[in-house]
Amino acid sequence: AQKVTQAQTEISVVEKEDVTLDCVYETRDTTYYLFWYKQPPSGELVFLIRRNSFDEQNEISGRYSWNFQKSTSSFNFTITASQVVDSAVYFCALSEDGSGNTGKLIFGQGTTLQVKP
Amino acid sequence: NAGVMQNPRHLVRRRGQEARLRCSPMKGHSHVYWYRQLPEEGLKFMVYLQKENIIDESGMPKERFSAEFPKEGPSILRIQQVVRGDSAAYFCASSHSGGDGYTFGSGTRLTVV
Repeated sequence: AQKVTQAQTEISVVEKEDVTLDCVYETRDTTYYLFWYKQPPSGELVFLIRRNSFDEQNEISGRYSWNFQKSTSSFNFTITASQVVDSAVYFCALSEDGSGNTGKLIFGQGTTLQVKP
Repeated sequence: NAGVMQNPRHLVRRRGQEARLRCSPMKGHSHVYWYRQLPEEGLKFMVYLQKENIIDESGMPKERFSAEFPKEGPSILRIQQVVRGDSAAYFCASSHSGGDGYTFGSGTRLTVV
């Protein structure tokens, strides 16, 4: 069965520290997509990244980077030089049917990140 | 190009009343998904619809919940005879039939008192 595990329930760091959010997934599909979403205190869901299962290259976007490793079924998210505005709940998700566009998403339980000034 | 629009943002209902949540997908998107986020939990898939069709409702509770996406107008998630356990944030997402990514609305926070 498809499953996403975010083992870290809460993380607290001081501003400017680097922080890594872990995501481990399970799927029998050979083609799938992985996602990260941010949910700030205001409650909306902000899309961060979508990654195809065939593309294992790491991705960097500003202070954000993602490390996708199929060998360990992990898709970890690192924030470099964290800022107070990064405080939010972060969700990792897996698309179940491999389409990435029309499949339902399986979400992890989320990791609450608190960045203190 | 407006994003996925959900209304109302906040909805309060007394036990036993009906709740109707609306979702207008992004322009050109013909696929709609509804998710529920219970307090302190991740999002759980409820239903996937295309225009006038329910494609997958495997996450919908068997009773009291229904969803539709008519040819014209928004998608509606309807909860009849609400109970306290229905209190949650309900998110809608839309996608194009074959191209763009998966965009979420801002959600509707339902509180049952």
